[in-house]
Amino acid sequence: DGGITQSPKYLFRKEGQNVTLSCEQNLNHDAMYWYRQDPGQGLRLIYYSQIVNDFQKGDIAEGYSVSREKKESFPLTVTSAQKNPTAFYLCASTPIFGRRTDTQYFGPGTRLTVL
Amino acid sequence: GQQVMQIPQYQHVQEGEDFTTYCNSSTTLSNIQWYKQRPGGHPVFLIQLVKSGEVKKQKRLTFQFGEAKKNSSLHITATQTTDVGTYFCAGNSNSGYALNFGKGTSLLVTP
Repeated sequence: DGGITQSPKYLFRKEGQNVTLSCEQNLNHDAMYWYRQDPGQGLRLIYYSQIVNDFQKGDIAEGYSVSREKKESFPLTVTSAQKNPTAFYLCASTPIFGRRTDTQYFGPGTRLTVL
Repeated sequence: GQQVMQIPQYQHVQEGEDFTTYCNSSTTLSNIQWYKQRPGGHPVFLIQLVKSGEVKKQKRLTFQFGEAKKNSSLHITATQTTDVGTYFCAGNSNSGYALNFGKGTSLLVTP
């Protein structure tokens, strides 16, 4: 089955620790995205990648970092510089970046709780 | 920058009642997409509207795109408990490439 996987589903970390969230897709999509979701805030774009070895900051990139070394993978690191990291993190992909009619395919999400 | 506003934020209805959520953009949109997120789940694509004044139906769901391509609505007729979730609109402007999501409308349906 084609799709996007995110692991783990739930993640707990102590304050001050960096943590990396994984996102893998086997859809052969060029573009990948990371969103953060907080109650009542909708989806806010953290980073996106148009193609392998490329990535760009989204609206709320501070305290986060990403890499795109492989087409299938787009891991997100939540660093200790992120002031309020507890949230639901969603990874998504589209076939081609910038093609406006492409729809976003979302992974199941990772719920991060920082204690 | 482009903003997509969505109202209401929450809606609680009795099963069988109708429901509507509205999406408004500060700029003209090239297209608009609607997604549904069930509680505890992830957003799933419902439909896309591209043409001015376009209306599309999916069973009890009716989607409209305004004539000026700045607003859209989703109407559910005779809600069922399976309609529970958060409905998001997301728009692309004519000049940008980022999909801007509204904050969503959370629908609760009680039997």
